[in-house]
Amino acid sequence: QVQVVQSGTEVKEPGASVKVSCKASGYTFSGNYIHWVRQAPGQGLEWMGWINLNSGDTNYAQKFQGRVTMTRDTSVSTAYMELSRLTSDDTAVYYCATTFWGGSNYWGQGTLVTVSS
Amino acid sequence: DVVMTQSPLSLPVTLGQPASISCRSGQSLVHSDGNTYFNWFQQRPGQSPRRLIYRVSNRDSGVPDRFSGSGSGTDFTLKISRVEAEDVGVYYCVQGTHWPYTFGQGTRLEIK
Repeated sequence: QVQVVQSGTEVKEPGASVKVSCKASGYTFSGNYIHWVRQAPGQGLEWMGWINLNSGDTNYAQKFQGRVTMTRDTSVSTAYMELSRLTSDDTAVYYCATTFWGGSNYWGQGTLVTVSS
Repeated sequence: DVVMTQSPLSLPVTLGQPASISCRSGQSLVHSDGNTYFNWFQQRPGQSPRRLIYRVSNRDSGVPDRFSGSGSGTDFTLKISRVEAEDVGVYYCVQGTHWPYTFGQGTRLEIK
């Protein structure tokens, strides 16, 4: 059974960085993708980018270019999303999800990131 | 970015009645490889999103057969043949044919 477990709630000051982890168990890490999607309070879904778990190649939405870094550690089946230069507009629940367009799609439970001074 | 426009944004439905959600894209979603990268997701209150339909009309494993997806080009529809209480939540369409992927605004389904 596949489980996708994310790291816990974060509270950050404006200007800081946050790194969220996403561990997939029972899932074939290699040859697949992890996508990151965020949801501001009471708002809709916003796609941030993806990482190819095999090659490490990434593709980021232009809105986040220069501020987001997606990485993975295949030895522990974990993907990471780091977002820098945080502002209050980055307060959101951040989700990781597996392949969108075919195969099986699994989502993590979400990680709440609050940016506040 | 490709704009995805859902309608209605709010959908009150009587239990056992059908429901339909429309999603229109600003450009054709037919990819140069011949596929149409368009999905429907459901987000129940307090839960993570869940994929219902992928690539227009393919129902995910475990999704009741009362859910169906159809459409082509720029116009897509999610239909629920008989709404049940567990269907309450927000439904999102998303396209992946054009960079970046974009979601619709969401349609909130509630029971009348």
